[in-house]
Amino acid sequence: GAVVSQHPSWVICKSGTSVKIECRSLDFQATTMFWYRQFPKQSLMLMATSNEGSKATYEQGVEKDKFLINHASLTLSTLTVTSAHPEDSSFYICSAYPVAGGTEAFFGQGTRLTVV
Amino acid sequence: GQQLNQSPQSMFIQEGEDVSMNCTSSSIFNTWLWYKQDPGEGPVLLIALYKAGELTSNGRLTAQFGITRKDSFLNISASIPSDVGIYFCAARATGRRALTFGSGTRLQVQP
Repeated sequence: GAVVSQHPSWVICKSGTSVKIECRSLDFQATTMFWYRQFPKQSLMLMATSNEGSKATYEQGVEKDKFLINHASLTLSTLTVTSAHPEDSSFYICSAYPVAGGTEAFFGQGTRLTVV
Repeated sequence: GQQLNQSPQSMFIQEGEDVSMNCTSSSIFNTWLWYKQDPGEGPVLLIALYKAGELTSNGRLTAQFGITRKDSFLNISASIPSDVGIYFCAARATGRRALTFGSGTRLQVQP
């Protein structure tokens, strides 16, 4: 079946540094990918919609200058957390809809970010 | 904004028992989905519902799309230890591709 892979699976960084998380669709193309954030024991909250070749659309309350999204190709979207702070520590999950359609989005395995 | 109220928050049951959980909303949706998430993993789709009133099964799982389009339930019959995990409902509104997720139901199964 279709696979969405995130890298890294987990990362620890120091406060003030930036971290890049990749989301790749391994065997299908995706013009649209989504980034979610999940705090411990909470639900998935949509952060932004990543559109290939154009600017991302951010949900209300999500700082676009802090969470930089780049969707440079039909198989890759990246989320960069800039000037990370401990409160940014969370589980970040992406999902992607195949261009071909006909299915629901596939989710990546998630990236655990810990800012110390 | 759109919110999904999912209940119960958690359940602790004996192996073999049936389980039921549901989601409600004040908003209308055109798609209801049920996912299972294991610790440290992304959610995995269990059942997708696209029509009001639709009842769909996937093995021991059965889900229904409410007639009002504002609710859905998931039943798990004859639970087994591997059913342990967090179950999320999710819904999609007309014109949107992104999903709104419920708060989750944490299921524990005692062997």
